[in-house]
Formats: sequence, structure tokens, C-alpha cells
Amino acid sequence: DAGVTQSPTHLIKTRGQHVTLRCSPISGHKSVSWYQQVLGQGPQFIFQYYEKEERGRGNFPDRFSARQFPNYSSELNVNALLLGDSALYLCASTGGGGSLYEQYFGPGTRLTVT
Amino acid sequence: QKEVEQNSGPLSVPEGAIASLNCTYSDRGSQSFFWYRQYSGKSPELIMFIYSNGDKEDGRFTAQLNKASQYVSLLIRDSQPSDSATYLCAVGGSYIPTFGRGTSLIVHP
Repeated sequence: DAGVTQSPTHLIKTRGQHVTLRCSPISGHKSVSWYQQVLGQGPQFIFQYYEKEERGRGNFPDRFSARQFPNYSSELNVNALLLGDSALYLCASTGGGGSLYEQYFGPGTRLTVT
Repeated sequence: QKEVEQNSGPLSVPEGAIASLNCTYSDRGSQSFFWYRQYSGKSPELIMFIYSNGDKEDGRFTAQLNKASQYVSLLIRDSQPSDSATYLCAVGGSYIPTFGRGTSLIVHP
């Protein structure tokens, strides 16, 4: 079975621009989470969606938004990019709706803001 | 503020030795505990999860959980150079786990 997929793999943007990152979960998984990871730090939670509803939001500004589609794929949008948004953006897929399910990460999107 | 603490390392062990990685957490209500391995430039890979007090073994890996003391550890037996990576501890009490910053492990031949 295919794992979590993310696109694009790498992205270079200029300050002030907008970016859309995409994620497809493992087949049968209904929950998708987004994380930001900067060098030397653990992943920081941005959003979690389950059955197309937002189930959690981390401490990120309103420039960050996301949505989940009927096929459970998801998009993360970031507006008005700042240099500090440069990071590895990770999507994680979870199988069930409960709190004890394991998250499986995609390969990530490396975003560089210049 | 839920916190997960890990020593950033690096932890250096010789090939064939046991590597012991530790993690403490602040939220007593935490119910799920995960260890991820992350190679440089790659995404985290789930290697162990544990939900109950005690030990859980999977091949060369053993996860140990002590809820009373609020710590979880990962033991890697017969360490190999290929185990050299950053190990992330994640702790969850609800839908969303909190990650530590990771411990860098170096296994030298």
C-alpha cells in the first residue's frame, strides 16, 4: 500500500508570496495532521483534520490555513510568506478517530523563503 | 503548556552496545507515547508506540513507560551504524501528540 504522499518535494518562494502544499493520506486513513519542523527542533503542530472537520489548531498565525477534501486529501496554505516560514512541512496520516492512533508521516515539503 | 523534554545529545555508543534514550513529559493525563526515528533530511518514521506502563519489545527495540515518574525510554540493543539518527519522542493525551526536540544518536564502528 502507498504511504502518505506530499507535493511538491521542494519549493522556493519569495517573501510575501503565497504557497499551497498538498497531502494524500494512507488509503483508509481519515485524519490528516500538518506539522512544521525547523532545523534542530521537533515537529510543531499546525492543524489536524478528521472527516473534513478541523479537530485542532496549533499556535500559528492566521496566515496559515488548511482544509480536507472528501477523498481525505488535504491542503495547507500559507499567505504572506515570511523568512521564518522556511522549514520542512510534514503531513501525517492517522487511521482512526480516537486519541490513541499512531501517526505516519509523509516525506515532507521543504519550503525555502527568500 | 504540555512539554516533552529530551536531551539533544549527541549520544555516542560503540557498535554492538545498548543505546538508551530518555524522554520526560509534563502532562500527567498523557495516554499515548511514540518514538520516531529521523534520518538527516528525511521525515520521521514511527518505530515504537506504547500505551501501558511497562515494557514493549519489538526486535532490537524496547520502549519503557513509567507514568508515575512521567518518563518514557527507548532501548536499542546491538546498536548498528545504521541506527545513527535523531530519535523523537512524542506524547499524546488527546488527538495531537507533542514532540520533543529529539536526541541525536551516533553509533560508531
